[in-house]
Amino acid sequence: GAGVSQSPSNKVTEKGKDVELRCDPISGHTALYWYRQSLGQGLEFLIYFQGNSAPDKSGLPSDRFSAERTGGSVSTLTIQRTQQEDSAVYLCASSPGTSGADTQYFGPGTRLTVL
Amino acid sequence: QKEVEQDPGPLSVPEGAIVSLNCTYSNSAFQYFMWYRQYSRKGPELLMYTYSSGNKEDGRFTAQVDKSSKYISLFIRDSQPSDSATYLCAMTHSGGSNYKLTFGKGTLLTVNP
Repeated sequence: GAGVSQSPSNKVTEKGKDVELRCDPISGHTALYWYRQSLGQGLEFLIYFQGNSAPDKSGLPSDRFSAERTGGSVSTLTIQRTQQEDSAVYLCASSPGTSGADTQYFGPGTRLTVL
Repeated sequence: QKEVEQDPGPLSVPEGAIVSLNCTYSNSAFQYFMWYRQYSRKGPELLMYTYSSGNKEDGRFTAQVDKSSKYISLFIRDSQPSDSATYLCAMTHSGGSNYKLTFGKGTLLTVNP
């Protein structure tokens, strides 16, 4: 079946602009996660959704970052007033549940470059 | 000290070699251990998952966990050029926020034909 999809695959923006990144999880997966992967830092957790609510936003690096999920499906990560340090690959993952035993399935990521 | 340490490599081996990839961790609460494989410009995919000390085998891959030493390993036997990728260890605890995976930085592996 279809896996996790993300769009756009690449995004180049100018410093100070806002960007929106989209994630379509696997159908039926209730849990959705956003991670950031940057050079030298590895994969860092950003936010977790259970259904449409986000009980854990602890990884969002600043208030310029926000995310929402609608209909228990699609999620959008928004970065306002982008900075060069926001350049990274943003990965979305989904899982059928939220136990540590549940496999998280990752999308291909959105590569964000802030000039 | 980061919670999970992983040698970034790069590691280059000839086809058919046995590859050993390792991670150490400092948080004794970690109970679930995973290895992900990530090809260039793709998302990570789960290779192996284990939650107990000892060995777990799946085809050419063996995951080993030593909780007393806080050390995990992934062995690849008869390595193939298609195994060339970045390998990420990941782990989490058994508590309420165990969905939050902590990753190593990844080891870049190249298997040369």
